[in-house]
Amino acid sequence: AQTVTQSQPEMSVQEAETVTLSCTYDTSESDYYLFWYKQPPSRQMILVIRQEAYKQQNATENRFSVNFQKAAKSFSLKISDSQLGDAAMYFCAYRGRDDKIIFGKGTRLHILP
Amino acid sequence: NAGVTQTPKFQVLKTGQSMTLQCAQDMNHNSMYWYRQDPGMGLRLIYYSASEGTTDKGEVPNGYNVSRLNKREFSLRLESAAPSQTSVYFCASSEVWGTREQYFGPGTRLTVT
Repeated sequence: AQTVTQSQPEMSVQEAETVTLSCTYDTSESDYYLFWYKQPPSRQMILVIRQEAYKQQNATENRFSVNFQKAAKSFSLKISDSQLGDAAMYFCAYRGRDDKIIFGKGTRLHILP
Repeated sequence: NAGVTQTPKFQVLKTGQSMTLQCAQDMNHNSMYWYRQDPGMGLRLIYYSASEGTTDKGEVPNGYNVSRLNKREFSLRLESAAPSQTSVYFCASSEVWGTREQYFGPGTRLTVT
């Protein structure tokens, strides 16, 4: 079975600085999708960024980018120019061939003003 | 276009009572999911439905049943609630092609006393 591991339960970063959240996963599949979701205090789940495993190019969305290392099964999220509104829980998720989506336990990100 | 809706938003049950959590989506998605979220545990998949009439167990199916009534609706039933089922429950839907992004409902906070 696939697993997703987020090894950092909590992280803090100064406003305007850059922070990287780690995610590793375990799978025997070659074709899959990876996602980062943000969950602010409102509890709503918001998609931040997605990556298809067959694409070598790392995905970027404005201040958010990923470092996708397929061989290492690593999928980290980099947030540049951190803003107070980025404070939230961040979840890494894996979607495989069976279309089930598995989440990591999350990283709580604090932004220090 | 309401996206994914869940009812109720809050519920308190006594041990042994039963209830059904309702979920509906208006995006014509094939796949629907039920998750539970507990502190420090991330989102864990309870059940999954790839299409109308099909359901599959996730990581934590014990104590739950589901019904995929039609393409729009996917309900989660607790037959005999236990305190261990106190949690926040999320319903989600997605398509099996394109972005494969999941869209989440607002969640149901369930307390079992």
